Amino acid sequence: DVKVTQSSRYLVKRTGEKVFLECVQDMDHENMFWYRQDPGLGLRLIYFSYDVKMKEKGDIPEGYSVSREKKERFSLILESASTNQTSMYLCASSPLELQGSTGELFFGEGSRLTVL
Amino acid sequence: QKEVEQDPGPLSVPEGAIVSLNCTYSNSAFQYFMWYRQYSRKGPELLMYTYSSGNKEDGRFTAQVDKSSKYISLFIRDSQPSDSATYLCATDKLIFGTGTRLQVFP
Repeated sequence: DVKVTQSSRYLVKRTGEKVFLECVQDMDHENMFWYRQDPGLGLRLIYFSYDVKMKEKGDIPEGYSVSREKKERFSLILESASTNQTSMYLCASSPLELQGSTGELFFGEGSRLTVL
Repeated sequence: QKEVEQDPGPLSVPEGAIVSLNCTYSNSAFQYFMWYRQYSRKGPELLMYTYSSGNKEDGRFTAQVDKSSKYISLFIRDSQPSDSATYLCATDKLIFGTGTRLQVFP
């Protein structure tokens, strides 16, 4: 079974803190993604990566950065956390070229971040 | 206008009911349409997908796409309490609906 593991299920941070969210997948997938999920807004793509050291902005990259030094690991970084970044963060991976295909996304269980 | 629109619900039905979940989309370039199921405090997982127009059946679940009206549907027959979850439609361009929360009560 494909497994996507997010290191922290629940985090509480203070405004201005630097936050790292880690994600590891064990199926050698090329593509990895970070989404945030908010009530009424659904899943919104923050960043994705299609290869090591490669990254592409999604729909809402402001306030976030990412790092992919190894194929299996994709990190989301909040340089200076703000209260409007309180959300559920979901990491996903996929082995397929996603444009025009059924490229299934495999999601982790999510990291619920609260910024006070 | 969002590219994919989905009624957030919640939808509450008795066990055994037929459930209809729907999405509309605006971009005719979308080719594949997926339905993900997300249980509480879990990540979404792919339930089924369809290509272009037509139906696809998998057990009690049927996915339907009508490209002429840009309408996506998921039907659940003989709904069970274990079907209680949020259902998200998605396109092959990584665009998700907001999800519909479904509650099936015994």
